[in-house]
Amino acid sequence: SAVISQKPSRDICQRGTSLTIQCQVDSQVTMMFWYRQQPGQSLTLIATANQGSEATYESGFVIDKFPISRPNLTFSTLTVSNMSPEDSSIYLCSVVLAVPGELFFGEGSRLTVL
Amino acid sequence: KQEVTQIPAALSVPEGENLVLNCSFTDSAIYNLQWFRQDPGKGLTSLLLIQSSQREQTSGRLNASLDKSSGRSTLYIAASQPGDSATYLCAVGSGAGSYQLTFGKGTKLSVIP
Repeated sequence: SAVISQKPSRDICQRGTSLTIQCQVDSQVTMMFWYRQQPGQSLTLIATANQGSEATYESGFVIDKFPISRPNLTFSTLTVSNMSPEDSSIYLCSVVLAVPGELFFGEGSRLTVL
Repeated sequence: KQEVTQIPAALSVPEGENLVLNCSFTDSAIYNLQWFRQDPGKGLTSLLLIQSSQREQTSGRLNASLDKSSGRSTLYIAASQPGDSATYLCAVGSGAGSYQLTFGKGTKLSVIP
């Protein structure tokens, strides 16, 4: 497995502001993803973070709201822009390692928007 | 569209019991199935990965089975311990080369000492 570190682990933010979440992996990985887990719900894929190019977003998620960067094979950021209380969720970074299709997750970033 | 259902939503058992968690999915054309554990306020820990060609996987006290034709998977936990208390999530992967997983809502397990 890999060590996947996310920062911040939690934050409380005001409506209308933006927050950037960082994901650092201790080894080079090909595939990195960002998921969202809303309160009482299961996980939903936001986007695939592509190294050196624009992220691939799932239906219902747009770049203006969730800009993603991935400058290299070990690091990615997710920004939650112009936040509203509906954005209160746990945001999780995940990666695929050597075993085909097996996903590993970071500890998550718990975001509360007031 | 793939849908994943986990029953029951919550389960409470005394320590030492063997138990089974259930996962069902609507589209049997899956690439793999993965079981995760999530502790409160934490990320996900991968427990077992079953490829579509496999019937089961075992790790310690955990055994996961897969029946693609019926759209079902079970996670068997032997001799449960209080440390097993967590939410268990089932996730289905569809399509080789695609790592998008469809998650169930999970089963919250409480093991009572």
